[in-house]
Amino acid sequence: DAKTTQPNSMESNEEEPVHLPCNHSTISGTDYIHWYRQLPSQGPEYVIHGLTSNVNNRMASLAIAEDRKSSTLILHRATLRDAAVYYCILAHQAGTALIFGKGTTLSVSS
Amino acid sequence: DSGVTQTPKHLITATGQRVTLRCSPRSGDLSVYWYQQSLDQGLQFLIQYYNGEERAKGNILERFSAQQFPDLHSELNLSSLELGDSALYFCASSARDRANTIYFGEGSWLTVV
Repeated sequence: DAKTTQPNSMESNEEEPVHLPCNHSTISGTDYIHWYRQLPSQGPEYVIHGLTSNVNNRMASLAIAEDRKSSTLILHRATLRDAAVYYCILAHQAGTALIFGKGTTLSVSS
Repeated sequence: DSGVTQTPKHLITATGQRVTLRCSPRSGDLSVYWYQQSLDQGLQFLIQYYNGEERAKGNILERFSAQQFPDLHSELNLSSLELGDSALYFCASSARDRANTIYFGEGSWLTVV
């Protein structure tokens, strides 16, 4: 299975942009790149996903490298409520379970 | 609100007992997944059902079992409980879109004493 590599932790200040990196050098051509986040004592929450092109939604932006071996989740203006564990996951094919790694713990300071 | 409903939210039980956790997937979703998250382990995939049939197994113990019913709700049965089974148990569902997006419930917090 293709794996992802993320920093264990990152820190940010409120209202500043945050760039969360993810390496997935063994990604296959049909793998989707997913980002989820988990707030303390809550279920993981879907954030965004993409295949080849950059994606934007109301929560975040996803920038995918041209060779697809890395991606970056961008939170445009961090708030205290964005403090969470962020998971970068490769979705191999429709209908299969997502396998979570350790993710990146994001701390946001006021 | 993800649309995935789990009950009970909290449960305290003694070692050796058996419990059942219930999950109602999002309307129309055929796939249900169960995950376990304990303090010292990350989010571990346990088992997946698709339209009533077992589809994939992860790190699920033999003391644990699950099923998905014709109305698509699912139950996770945990028996001969041990202290180490104390964890958050999450259910998730998906519509099997090409991107394989899944949506999680709020979890059932199990404490074994």
